Amino acid sequence: GAGVSQSPSNKVTEKGKDVELRCDPISGHTALYWYRQSLGQGLEFLIYFQGNSAPDKSGLPSDRFSAERTGGSVSTLTIQRTQQEDSAVYLCASSWGQLDQPQHFGDGTRLSIL
Amino acid sequence: ELKVEQNPLFLSMQEGKNYTIYCNYSTTSDRLYWYRQDPGKSLESLFVLLSNGAVKQEGRLMASLDTKARLSTLHITAAVHDLSATYFCAVVGIGNNRLAFGKGNQVVVIP
Repeated sequence: GAGVSQSPSNKVTEKGKDVELRCDPISGHTALYWYRQSLGQGLEFLIYFQGNSAPDKSGLPSDRFSAERTGGSVSTLTIQRTQQEDSAVYLCASSWGQLDQPQHFGDGTRLSIL
Repeated sequence: ELKVEQNPLFLSMQEGKNYTIYCNYSTTSDRLYWYRQDPGKSLESLFVLLSNGAVKQEGRLMASLDTKARLSTLHITAAVHDLSATYFCAVVGIGNNRLAFGKGNQVVVIP
């Protein structure tokens, strides 16, 4: 597709369950980013991939959060043993990784933990 | 830690009038971005500002960057209803790639 694609668009799950969120970046984009957006915290950086490597994972809030990227393309963000404070919109972005290019965002996954 | 402050957080605009919203950041940066977000939607890139004195314009929106003052402004000329949205500024610190966002300027344009 032409843009960043994320799935699912909405996810409701019970506290304690694991969830996987998927991101398909724009074709050819080498850099991929995960952010989350919540009312209380605004937009927060989670992790950055260059190719399949994650040189910056400093924004992951706890060891329950992990992410991987395969084939320099699709990325999966996994949250284990979900907590209510994990409820947020998880946004994925991709870019060419060059200074003069913006990050292009997907529509996000709205995650609700009951 | 790079901090980004936007103000005002909420602005009610009258159609046809001009307004300016502000973005301040706390440490040296070499990249600043403006994004627009409509309710329930994702972020749409508006401008990329890379150097001191950079000015970019698109339609009724004009963004500028003063790296010495660590300040960017987004000027809206003759506001129209379609410009109602939340505008985010985001800054990248030297040597990394992550965006640090402000809390956004929520703009409502009233006919």
